[in-house]
Amino acid sequence: DTEVTQTPKHLVMGMTNKKSLKCEQHMGHRAMYWYKQKAKKPPELMFVYSYEKLSINESVPSRFSPECPNSSLLNLHLHALQPEDSALYLCASSQETGGKAGELFFGEGSRLTVL
Amino acid sequence: AQSVAQPEDQVNVAEGNPLTVKCTYSVSGNPYLFWYVQYPNRGLQFLLKYITGDNLVKGSYGFEAEFNKSQTSFHLKKPSALVSDSALYFCAVRDYGNNRLAFGKGNQVVVIP
Repeated sequence: DTEVTQTPKHLVMGMTNKKSLKCEQHMGHRAMYWYKQKAKKPPELMFVYSYEKLSINESVPSRFSPECPNSSLLNLHLHALQPEDSALYLCASSQETGGKAGELFFGEGSRLTVL
Repeated sequence: AQSVAQPEDQVNVAEGNPLTVKCTYSVSGNPYLFWYVQYPNRGLQFLLKYITGDNLVKGSYGFEAEFNKSQTSFHLKKPSALVSDSALYFCAVRDYGNNRLAFGKGNQVVVIP
């Protein structure tokens, strides 16, 4: 069982809709991540939050807006998406520093379809 | 920049035979290397890592990996493959100084009953 919980598991939205993906972890991790993954491809890093501050934005279009309300929660707000944004969106968390940094715990993902 | 390469797209192996999934790395400085597995319709799961120490690293589900500095390789191995090992396997290297993981392209492993 994963210790990173993502909701919803599936989401279908139109190009004019506004929706949000949610992620929650209770492992005390202070680094949280959003990844985008296309079928049979490696995950692509989108955003990293470190101690609730945005530390990495991989030049993601502004139609994706991340938010970290507290150390356990991570949201991804979606607006005016394109069909090519359809993908599996993965949330992950890790310890911030030390030997376990980089040892990511992933959620099961939210599968997004944009019509 | 740190990077890893997984030269094969797919690895087919008969159940009970040894399984090897190849990974080579390119880093400046000491490498922090990882293997992750992704089962169908699931998120990625951490298998094992190399930071320092013994070159043979043992991980979850009977997997191990051998760090070879002279060959810049970090191959994943399992002595006897199971059908349930069929999945997508990713090698990754951590970018020193930040939390960016660089993933390889992935290897589809198919274990044939």
